[in-house]
Amino acid sequence: GQQLNQSPQSMFIQEGEDVSMNCTSSSIFNTWLWYKQDPGEGPVLLIALYKAGELTSNGRLTAQFGITRKDSFLNISASIPSDVGIYFCAGRGSSGGSNYKLTFGKGTLLTVNP
Amino acid sequence: NAGVTQTPKFRVLKTGQSMTLLCAQDMNHEYMYWYRQDPGMGLRLIHYSVGEGTTAKGEVPDGYNVSRLKKQNFLLGLESAAPSQTSVYFCASTSTGLYVHFGDGTRLSIL
Repeated sequence: GQQLNQSPQSMFIQEGEDVSMNCTSSSIFNTWLWYKQDPGEGPVLLIALYKAGELTSNGRLTAQFGITRKDSFLNISASIPSDVGIYFCAGRGSSGGSNYKLTFGKGTLLTVNP
Repeated sequence: NAGVTQTPKFRVLKTGQSMTLLCAQDMNHEYMYWYRQDPGMGLRLIHYSVGEGTTAKGEVPDGYNVSRLKKQNFLLGLESAAPSQTSVYFCASTSTGLYVHFGDGTRLSIL
């Protein structure tokens, strides 16, 4: 099946620093999504990317859909303590039944030191 | 607007016991999913449904069964619980496959 490699697994940063994380896949995806999960809650959608090369921002967050359609990155600028959580990338497949399913990366655990 | 509601939120079972996790969504979504989340493993798809009366296997379906008798409900069953099924279970739903809404999870421990 489709697999996503997300890196890094964890990050420890100081408040105010910028953060970058990425996902790569051996398969092509039609859509890339980035989710954040706060402790004790379900993941919440941050950014959705629909076409190769697309660069989208949501406040301090910026994400890009790779040209090859096999990768995506997420940047967080000027981190704050509430950015703490697990960030997941997810891809939606390009054909058949995979259109309805999201494949998730294993997550990046972000810790922000005040 | 409740969104996706999972019950129960916590449960402890003994090996061999059975139970059913309930997921309910009030957004009239066609697609519903059950994921499990384990440390370092991310979210893995157990089963999913593309509409009322339909179900399909995901990435890790063994040991689980599901039913979608009503559009708004998606049930996940464990017939004979095993310690390897200790996990946090998330239900999710979507109408488009893009904006997937997640519940807050069910924390299941099997002793």
